[in-house]
Amino acid sequence: EDKVVQSPLSLVVHEGDTVTLNCSYEVTNFRSLLWYKQEKKAPTFLFMLTSSGIEKKSGRLSSILDKKELFSILNITATQTGDSAVYLCAVGGHNTDKLIFGTGTRLQVFP
Amino acid sequence: NAGVTQTPKFQVLKTGQSMTLQCAQDMNHNSMYWYRQDPGMGLRLIYYSASEGTTDKGEVPNGYNVSRLNKREFSLRLESAAPSQTSVYFCASSEGGTAQKYTFGSGTRLTVV
Repeated sequence: EDKVVQSPLSLVVHEGDTVTLNCSYEVTNFRSLLWYKQEKKAPTFLFMLTSSGIEKKSGRLSSILDKKELFSILNITATQTGDSAVYLCAVGGHNTDKLIFGTGTRLQVFP
Repeated sequence: NAGVTQTPKFQVLKTGQSMTLQCAQDMNHNSMYWYRQDPGMGLRLIYYSASEGTTDKGEVPNGYNVSRLNKREFSLRLESAAPSQTSVYFCASSEGGTAQKYTFGSGTRLTVV
C-alpha cells in the first residue's frame, strides 16, 4: 500500500532557529515528491522534486530528495513567526496525477 | 487570478440533510479533485476527475457523489449527511497527465450535527 510518513508531527521553535522536516514514502513507480505549506486555509505549493540529490531552494527554504533511501527533507533556516504552519508532503507515481499526502508537520515559531 | 473557488466556506447540516459543495477553476486545468482533511489523518482523496465527463473513486468515496459539469466545475454532493462527514473539504485542480502540481481552493468547513 502506498504511503507517506512525515516526522515530527509537531515542532515548536524560537525565531532564528533552523528546522528540518522529514518525509519518507513508499509508492509504486515513484515520479515526484511535493511540499506544500498550509496556514489557515488552502495548501500552497512550495517545491516539487523528481531527481535525487538536487536541492531546490527558495529564500530560507530548501528541500532535497533521496530516491534510494525514499525520503525528502525540508529545511527552514532563520525561522520567522510567519513560517508557522502545517507543512504537507505528497508523493505521486507515474501514469497518474493523483497525489498521496502525509499527515503533515505542524511548525510553531515563537518570538 | 481567482484560481480555484469553493463555495460555501462554512456549513452546518443536520444528520440526514443533503447538500452540494461547489468548485470552479479558471486555469483551464484538466484534472480536478475533492479531498477531506481531518485531524491526524492528513488529506484523503474522495473523488477525482481526470477530464471532463470522467470521474473515479478515491480513498474514501462512501457517502459522496460527484459531477464534473464541464471543464471548469466539479461538485461534491452529500446525499444524507452523517456526523462522520464533519470535516474540512478541499477542491484542487491540476493540468493533468503527470503534472501533479495541485492548486487548492480555500476549503469548506462542514459540521454535521
